[in-house]
Amino acid sequence: GDSVTQMEGPVTLSEEAFLTINCTYTATGYPSLFWYVQYPGEGLQLLLKATKADDKGSNKGFEATYRKETTSFHLEKGSVQVSDSAVYFCALSEPGGYQKVTFGTGTKLQVIP
Amino acid sequence: DTAVSQTPKYLVTQMGNDKSIKCEQNLGHDTMYWYKQDSKKFLKIMFSYNNKELIINETVPNRFSPKSPDKAHLNLHINSLELGDSAVYFCASSQDRGNTIYFGEGSWLTVV
Repeated sequence: GDSVTQMEGPVTLSEEAFLTINCTYTATGYPSLFWYVQYPGEGLQLLLKATKADDKGSNKGFEATYRKETTSFHLEKGSVQVSDSAVYFCALSEPGGYQKVTFGTGTKLQVIP
Repeated sequence: DTAVSQTPKYLVTQMGNDKSIKCEQNLGHDTMYWYKQDSKKFLKIMFSYNNKELIINETVPNRFSPKSPDKAHLNLHINSLELGDSAVYFCASSQDRGNTIYFGEGSWLTVV
């Protein structure tokens, strides 16, 4: 079945540091890939997505590229801020049928001033 | 306007009680979900409905029963609550399957 593996946290960075959160997946078809973010006390919200190989999703300075050859969708940001502190979830969804979205286990990011 | 709203946001109740969490979405989506998030932030799907029809029912105790009176509402009823039911329950919706999921703000359930 489908699965998503993302790096364990917590990840602690200083403000303005470079961020990478790794995400790899296994899927039988050609899934869409997502990053969701959950701020403290809130629900998840979509951060960015990519629907086919080599697509780059970007939003709020974050970006991730759909790499089919390495089955990866790593999240990056060049300069993190304290306000980026949250839990980040990688997810995939297979097209067609009644497919559920498969989430990774989440990576907690803490940015310190 | 809140896109996916769920009530109550916080619920503290005793073991053995029965409780319900209500969810409504005003996005016009045809698919709704219930997810459970444990203390380690692990997110697990419980149920999914498409146009009021149950399409995903993961391994969830029979004490949990979803009800969808129309495609804009998906309520979750829990019978005979147990300590292990303590978690955050998220309602969500999407247009068709596999598209972006919109989450509610969560319902924090504590069973004592």
